[in-house]
Amino acid sequence: NAGVTQTPKFQVLKTGQSMTLQCAQDMNHEYMSWYRQDPGMGLRLIHYSVGAGITDQGEVPNGYNVSRSTTEDFPLRLLSAAPSQTSVYFCASSRTVYSNQPQHFGDGTRLSIL
Amino acid sequence: AQTVTQSQPEMSVQEAETVTLSCTYDTSENNYYLFWYKQPPSRQMILVIRQEAYKQQNATENRFSVNFQKAAKSFSLKISDSQLGDTAMYFCAFRYTTSGTYKYIFGTGTRLKVLA
Repeated sequence: NAGVTQTPKFQVLKTGQSMTLQCAQDMNHEYMSWYRQDPGMGLRLIHYSVGAGITDQGEVPNGYNVSRSTTEDFPLRLLSAAPSQTSVYFCASSRTVYSNQPQHFGDGTRLSIL
Repeated sequence: AQTVTQSQPEMSVQEAETVTLSCTYDTSENNYYLFWYKQPPSRQMILVIRQEAYKQQNATENRFSVNFQKAAKSFSLKISDSQLGDTAMYFCAFRYTTSGTYKYIFGTGTRLKVLA
C-alpha cells in the first residue's frame, strides 16, 4: 500500500551541486508530475509525464530535467542547484486523462540550497 | 489562461462551528474538475472533495461540502462541526484538459486554524 514514494525527505545542497529527487508509484498510474511549493504561491507544476518515454514542461521547468524510462519512476534532476530552488517538492501521480480520479501525492522533499 | 484565486490567506474558527473557504477560478473551458486538498503540518496533500463541472449537484463528503456556482466560477468549501484535526492549509485546485493531457492549477492556499 505504498502509493507515491519520494526520497529523500530532506536535503541540503551547496550552490552548483547537482542531485536527483526520486519518485516512484506502485499504482500503475500513467500520469506523473512534479510540483514545487513555495510560501504564498501554492503548488506550481515543473514537469509532467503522460507515460513512459513521454515528458513535457510545466509552468516552471527551468533548471530541472526529468525522464520517464518506466511507468513506476519519475526522477527530477537539478542540474546546478541555485538558492532560488530552495523549496518543498511534491511528486504526484494519477490515472489517464480520461479518468476523473484525483492525483495522489508523495510526502514531499524539503530541499535547501545554501 | 486558467487561474485559481483563494482570497483568504488565513482563517480561524471555533471548534464545532462552521467555516467557509472561498475559491474562484477563471477559465474558458467547459469540462473540468475542481478539487479541495488539505495539507496538515505533516505536509501530506490529502484530497478532501472533488466536483465535476458538468454536475450541478454540489459534492458532499461527511462534514465537507462545496458550493459550486459554475456561472460565477466559484467553488467554496464548507466545513461543518469543525474539529481540531481540520487545522491545515487548504488548497483549491482546477484540472483541465489540454493537448491530450491534463494540468492542475492550484490556488495559493488558505491556512485554517481550529480553536479549542
